[in-house]
Amino acid sequence: AQTVTQSQPEMSVQEAETVTLSCTYDTSENNYYLFWYKQPPSRQMILVIRQEAYKQQNATENRFSVNFQKAAKSFSLKISDSQLGDTAMYFCAFIETSGSRLTFGEGTQLTVNP
Amino acid sequence: GAVVSQHPSRVICKSGTSVKIECRSLDFQATTMFWYRQFPKQSLMLMATSNEGSKATYEQGVEKDKFLINHASLTLSTLTVTSAHPEDSSFYICSATDRGDGNEQFFGPGTRLTVL
Repeated sequence: AQTVTQSQPEMSVQEAETVTLSCTYDTSENNYYLFWYKQPPSRQMILVIRQEAYKQQNATENRFSVNFQKAAKSFSLKISDSQLGDTAMYFCAFIETSGSRLTFGEGTQLTVNP
Repeated sequence: GAVVSQHPSRVICKSGTSVKIECRSLDFQATTMFWYRQFPKQSLMLMATSNEGSKATYEQGVEKDKFLINHASLTLSTLTVTSAHPEDSSFYICSATDRGDGNEQFFGPGTRLTVL
C-alpha cells in the first residue's frame, strides 16, 4: 500500500521569504503522479502543482516549484516570495497512473507572517 | 478549469434525522466521484468511491448502511447520512475525475454537517 508522509505539522515564514515543505512517499509502482494541494481557511481544496513520475524535470508554477527525487521518494514544495494568501494547510498526495485512489499526507499548516 | 459544486454548504440537523448532500460536476462528465470526511486540522479520509451506474465501493470501517451513496448520472453523486448522530458531525468533501490527464481530482467546496 502507498503511504505519504509529511513530517512538518506546522511551519511559519515571513512574508517575501522562501519556505520548503517536505513530503516523502512509499510505493512499489513506477508510474504515478504526485500533487501538492492547498486548503486555505475556506477549506476549498486547490491544486497547487502536479508532477508526473516519468518526467525528470521538476514542475514549476509561478512561485511554486518542486524538488522531485524519485530514487529517494521525496517530493518537496518550495514557495518563493511568500505571500499572506499562502497561509493554508498544504497536503502532499499520490496516485498511481492506473489507479483512482488518491493518498494524502497528514498535512502541513503553513503560516505566512507579515 | 473543472468545477465541482456541493450543496448544502452547511447543514444543522437533529439527531436521528437523515441528511442528503449533493455533489455536481458542472462542466465535465465525472466517471468517478469520491467522498471524503475531514476532522479539524486533519487530513482527508476517503469514505467511498462511486462510479456512475454502479454501487459505491466503501473504505474499510465506513458503514455503507449509514452513509448511502448514489451516483445516478455522470454529473451527480449524493451522500445521505442516515439516522445522523452527533459523532457524524464533520466536514464532508466530494471530488470528481474524468480520468483524464493526470488522474486529477477536482474538489467541491465541502459541506459542514452539525448534528445536535
